[in-house]
Order: sequence, then C-alpha cells, then structure tokens
Amino acid sequence: EDKVVQSPLSLVVHEGDTVTLNCSYEVTNFRSLLWYKQEKKAPTFLFMLTSSGIEKKSGRLSSILDKKELFSILNITATQTGDSAVYLCAVEAPRGGGSEKLVFGKGTKLTVNP
Amino acid sequence: NAGVTQTPKFRVLKTGQSMTLLCAQDMNHEYMYWYRQDPGMGLRLIHYSVGEGTTAKGEVPDGYNVSRLKKQNFLLGLESAAPSQTSVYFCASSSEAGANTGELFFGEGSRLTVL
Repeated sequence: EDKVVQSPLSLVVHEGDTVTLNCSYEVTNFRSLLWYKQEKKAPTFLFMLTSSGIEKKSGRLSSILDKKELFSILNITATQTGDSAVYLCAVEAPRGGGSEKLVFGKGTKLTVNP
Repeated sequence: NAGVTQTPKFRVLKTGQSMTLLCAQDMNHEYMYWYRQDPGMGLRLIHYSVGEGTTAKGEVPDGYNVSRLKKQNFLLGLESAAPSQTSVYFCASSSEAGANTGELFFGEGSRLTVL
C-alpha cells in the first residue's frame, strides 16, 4: 500500500528559528513529490520535486528530494509567525488507466511564536 | 479572481439525509477533484474528473456520487448521509499541465457534520 509519512506531526518554534520538516514515502512507480502549505483553509502549492539532489527554493523555503532513501525535507529559515500552518507532503504515482494519484501525508503542524 | 469556490461552507445533516456540495472554478481547468480531510488521516481523494462529462472513483468513493455536467462545476452528492461522512471536504482543480505537475488549486473547504 502506498504510504507517505511526515514528521514531526507538530512543532513549536520561536520567530527566527530554522526548521526542517521531513517526509518519507513508499509508493509504487514514484513520479514526483509535492509540498503544500495549509493555513486555516485551502492548501496552497509550494514545490514539486522529481529529481534527487536538486534543491527547489522560494524565498526562505527550500526543499530537496532523495529518491534513493525515499524522503524529502522542507527547510524554513528565519521563521516568521506567518509561516504557522500545516505543511502537507504528497507523492504522485500512477493510478492505473493512464491517470495519476496524489497520496498525502498527515501533515506537520508548525507554530511560530513571536 | 474567485479561483475555486465551494458552497456551502458549513452544513449539519441528520443521518439519512441527502445533500449536494457544489464546486465552481473560473480558471477553465480540465481536471477537478473532491477530497476529504479528517484528523490524523490526511487528504483522501473521493472522486475526480478529467473533463466535462467524465468522472472517476478515487480512493474513498463509497457513499458519494459526483457529476460534471459543465466544465466549471463539479458536484459531490451524499444520498444518505452517515456519521462517518463527518469531515471537511475540499474541492480542487488543475489544468492538464497542472495535473501532471501536481499543482492543484484548492477551494476553502466545506465542513460537514452528520449527526
């Protein structure tokens, strides 16, 4: 069964701290790994990773994928209270019949205190 | 821009009642999805559609039906609600390219409680 496991499940830090969120996966025929940020309501897309060792970066957020060890990390440097959210990791794999499916992890709830 | 809009945002039902959740997107996206999100479970795909007039089952389709009569709308129906269907429901859409890159655009969610 395809599985995506995120750790930690929750994390509380102070503004300015650097955090690392983890995502490990077991899927058949991996295609890509995605990170989403979910503040109170709708998840919003952050990154898609398909190749090992290539860092994706957006401002203070960065992510990297290791396809050999089957995991990804999401780093946030100089955290701000606005980074408080649930961070979702999802892995894309073939569903069969020519379509793909996204398998989501349970998320990491990040709280950044002032 | 409205993006993906879900109605209603909140609903309380009694067991056995029926209801329909409406999802509308104004981005001319081909692909639309319905997910449910439960504590400790992550997002799980109920049904999806790859174009107007098409629907397909996701990972947890039992107890739900869907229709995509118009490209911009994707309806999720519960014919006979059960307490196990208490959840937050998210609609999402993507362009064909987005479907291959994983970039989904989500609505703000509909919280459904079944008593």
